[in-house]
Amino acid sequence: NAGVTQTPKFRVLKTGQSMTLLCAQDMNHEYMYWYRQDPGMGLRLIHYSVGEGTTAKGEVPDGYNVSRLKKQNFLLGLESAAPSQTSVYFCASSLTSGFGEQYFGPGTRLTVT
Amino acid sequence: DAKTTQPNSMESNEEEPVHLPCNHSTISGTDYIHWYRQLPSQGPEYVIHGLTSNVNNRMASLAIAEDRKSSTLILHRATLRDAAVYYCILRDFGSSNTGKLIFGQGTTLQVKP
Repeated sequence: NAGVTQTPKFRVLKTGQSMTLLCAQDMNHEYMYWYRQDPGMGLRLIHYSVGEGTTAKGEVPDGYNVSRLKKQNFLLGLESAAPSQTSVYFCASSLTSGFGEQYFGPGTRLTVT
Repeated sequence: DAKTTQPNSMESNEEEPVHLPCNHSTISGTDYIHWYRQLPSQGPEYVIHGLTSNVNNRMASLAIAEDRKSSTLILHRATLRDAAVYYCILRDFGSSNTGKLIFGQGTTLQVKP
């Protein structure tokens, strides 16, 4: 099992450009999450999904959109990137909701200039 | 969501036990206590979780106070690889049922050889 994988690992964008971050998991998990982590801070939840075809807003959703068309994939989109979105983005998945572990991907380091 | 309070940083010597404290005085009856850690340049990884009773696994032990207002993560013999940021997180399996993790600042653990 590859676990949770993220594509790409690094990306540099200019302000106003768009991009999509891909998260894939091969553990048949229902729940998937996108977090961002700014320097020296803990992770903050952007969006999450409790199953295929469903998405919901997290703590910091502005400027991002997500889609969960297939159970194994969770996409995070930036329509018009801003310097404030420079961050490390982590995807996670879990089998259950309230307990049990979340599995995290290795992260995508995004810089917006 | 109930909050947790952890020391910003702690130091330990290699091969000695480490006790990482966490206060959660507003914990509710449906909150599980989760611990995750994040090694440098990696995504967080699950360490342990518990509800009321003390818990042990291959990585660590979790000691939960009788009133559940505090807990302690115990690493029995710290190694250099245990140097990481440790997050104490309350995860509600009650009505919201989303499984989202709310990360605080965590405790940065330094392990000295």
